[in-house]
Amino acid sequence: EVQLLDSGGGLVQPGGSLRLSCAASGFTFSSYAMSWVRQAPGKGLEWVSSISGSGGSAYYADSVKGRLTISRDNSKNTLYLQMNSLRAEDTAVYYCAKAYGDYVITCFDYWGQGTLVTVSS
Amino acid sequence: EIVLTQSPGTLSLSPGERATLSCRASQSVSSSYLAWYQQKPGQAPRLLIYGASSRATNIPDRFSGSGSGTDFTLTISRLEPEDFAVYYCQQYGSSPLTFGGGTKVEIK
Repeated sequence: EVQLLDSGGGLVQPGGSLRLSCAASGFTFSSYAMSWVRQAPGKGLEWVSSISGSGGSAYYADSVKGRLTISRDNSKNTLYLQMNSLRAEDTAVYYCAKAYGDYVITCFDYWGQGTLVTVSS
Repeated sequence: EIVLTQSPGTLSLSPGERATLSCRASQSVSSSYLAWYQQKPGQAPRLLIYGASSRATNIPDRFSGSGSGTDFTLTISRLEPEDFAVYYCQQYGSSPLTFGGGTKVEIK
């Protein structure tokens, strides 16, 4: 059974940093691209970033480019999102999501339960 | 960037009725790379449809997707009590990936 366990969210001041993790199990982690998708309170879904199975290619939404960095450790079956220079508009539930199929730019067949990041002073 | 516009914003229907949800793209979605998700309060989204019309694993056949180019539709043939939720479309034909604003299907 595929499982994705998001963690690392919390309250952080504007300008601060946070690192999110997503522990994966139930599939061959290194064979699939992974992504982060966020949802601000009461709002819709917003794609944040995606990374290839090898970790060699990464893609970002313009709204986070230069501030958020996606990475993965295939030996630990874990996906990360390093979040720097955080802003109030980054406040959201962050979901990790597994790629459907072989592509990096794709839809998502499994999602984590989400972890809440709140940026506030 | 491809902008997806979903309509209506809210659909008020009774169990057993048919639901028709629309997703319109600002430009053509290549290869019909269009997905639909269901999200219930406090839960992660669930993939229903990919490739515009293919049902994901374990999705009941009352859910169907259709369309191509810029106009796509999700149809729920007979609403069950567990189908009342918010539905999102997503295009993955080009980067950046984008989602529609969602359609809430509520009990009338």
